[in-house]
Amino acid sequence: DTGVSQNPRHKITKRGQNVTFRCDPISEHNRLYWYRQTLGQGPEFLTYFQNEAQLEKSRLLSDRFSAERPKGSFSTLEIQRTEQGDSAMYLCASSSQRTDTQYFGPGTRLTVL
Amino acid sequence: AQSVTQLDSQVPVFEEAPVELRCNYSSSVSVYLFWYVQYPNQGLQLLLKYLSGSTLVESINGFEAEFNKSQTSFHLRKPSVHISDTAEYFCAVMAYNTDKLIFGTGTRLQVFP
Repeated sequence: DTGVSQNPRHKITKRGQNVTFRCDPISEHNRLYWYRQTLGQGPEFLTYFQNEAQLEKSRLLSDRFSAERPKGSFSTLEIQRTEQGDSAMYLCASSSQRTDTQYFGPGTRLTVL
Repeated sequence: AQSVTQLDSQVPVFEEAPVELRCNYSSSVSVYLFWYVQYPNQGLQLLLKYLSGSTLVESINGFEAEFNKSQTSFHLRKPSVHISDTAEYFCAVMAYNTDKLIFGTGTRLQVFP
């Protein structure tokens, strides 16, 4: 068990550019979650997958955001036409059952200039 | 919809003193309750959770929390803190009919020698 990994750990981009983040969950976990955390706030839910199916999306996830989990393994979160308000820590978590512990990755810190 | 309130953004305390971190929640449906901890430069880790049964739950490092349904609270306590307990603590809820965690804004516990 190597834990949840996220890449890159840091990303600096200019406003208007597209960015993509990757999350590799714990291998036997079929549930994968994306959260966003801004300074001074707790993590906010964005979306989650059970296997390859995206089952819930927050209203925070505008049409500029898209997440995928092909083959039910790793997941990617893409932000198109980034805005300064997208600057945040993007967290990924995985679990094996709904009420089981969600194990969090170290996060990807996005800075939009 | 669910919400979580952590009234204390910062709690300073001396080593070996007792501490209580407050958490209140609001929900129209039944919820599961969680405390997560984030140590400096580390990812979120589950500290303890309440799913059902005994309303008092304990962690392996001496923390405990009690679910009080009438007061909609899930306060975290420790009778004697250590320097190593310095961290950010997040209370979270998960409604019975969803998979997402709803977090509070966090409480920074700072333990002084």
